[in-house]
Amino acid sequence: KNQVEQSPQSLIILEGKNCTLQCNYTVSPFSNLRWYKQDTGRGPVSLTIMTFSENTKSNGRYTATLDADTKQSSLHITASQLSDSASYICVVSESDSSYKLIFGSGTRLLVRP
Amino acid sequence: NAGVTQTPKFQVLKTGQSMTLQCAQDMNHNSMYWYRQDPGMGLRLIYYSASEGTTDKGEVPNGYNVSRLNKREFSLRLESAAPSQTSVYFCASSFGRGAYNEQFFGPGTRLTVL
Repeated sequence: KNQVEQSPQSLIILEGKNCTLQCNYTVSPFSNLRWYKQDTGRGPVSLTIMTFSENTKSNGRYTATLDADTKQSSLHITASQLSDSASYICVVSESDSSYKLIFGSGTRLLVRP
Repeated sequence: NAGVTQTPKFQVLKTGQSMTLQCAQDMNHNSMYWYRQDPGMGLRLIYYSASEGTTDKGEVPNGYNVSRLNKREFSLRLESAAPSQTSVYFCASSFGRGAYNEQFFGPGTRLTVL
C-alpha cells in the first residue's frame, strides 16, 4: 500500500535553532515529492518540489533532501523563527500523469521565543 | 487575486441535515479537488474535477456529491450529514492534472456534525 510516514509527530524548538523533519515513503511508481507548510487554520502551501533525480532543493531557510534509493526525504529549517510554527506535510506524487497525491500526516513544529 | 476561496469557514450541523460547501478559484485553473483532513491522518481526496464538466471519485467519496458549476466553482454537498463527516474540508485547484501541476489550497471549512 502506498504510504507516507513522517517523524516526529511534533517538535518544540527554541527560536534561532535548527531542526530536521523526516519523511519515509513507500509510494510506487514515484514522480515527485513536495513539502508543504500548513499554518494553523490555513490550507497547505508548497515549499519545495523534488523529482527523482534531485537530491537537494532550497527555499530560503528551508532545505529539502531526497534519497530516492532509500525512499527518504528530510526538511531542514535553519535559524528558526516564530513564524515557522506550523505543520509540515510531506506529499508524494505517484506518476507524472497522475493528479493523485499521497499525504503524510505531518509534523507539528512549535518555535518558542 | 484571491486564489482559492471557501465558504463557510465554520459550520455545525445536526445528524441528517444537508449542506453545500462552496469553493471558487480565480487562477483560471482547469482542475479542482475536494479533500478532508482528520486528526493524525493525511489529507484524503473526496472528489476531483479534471476539467469543467467532469467529476470523478477520489479515495473517500461515500456520503458526498459534487458539482463543477463552471470553470471557477466546485461545490461539495453532504445530503445527510453523519458524525463521521466531522472534519476540515479543503478545496484545491491546479492548472492541469499532472503531477508537476502544483495544487493550491483554500483556507478550509471546519465542519462539526452533532
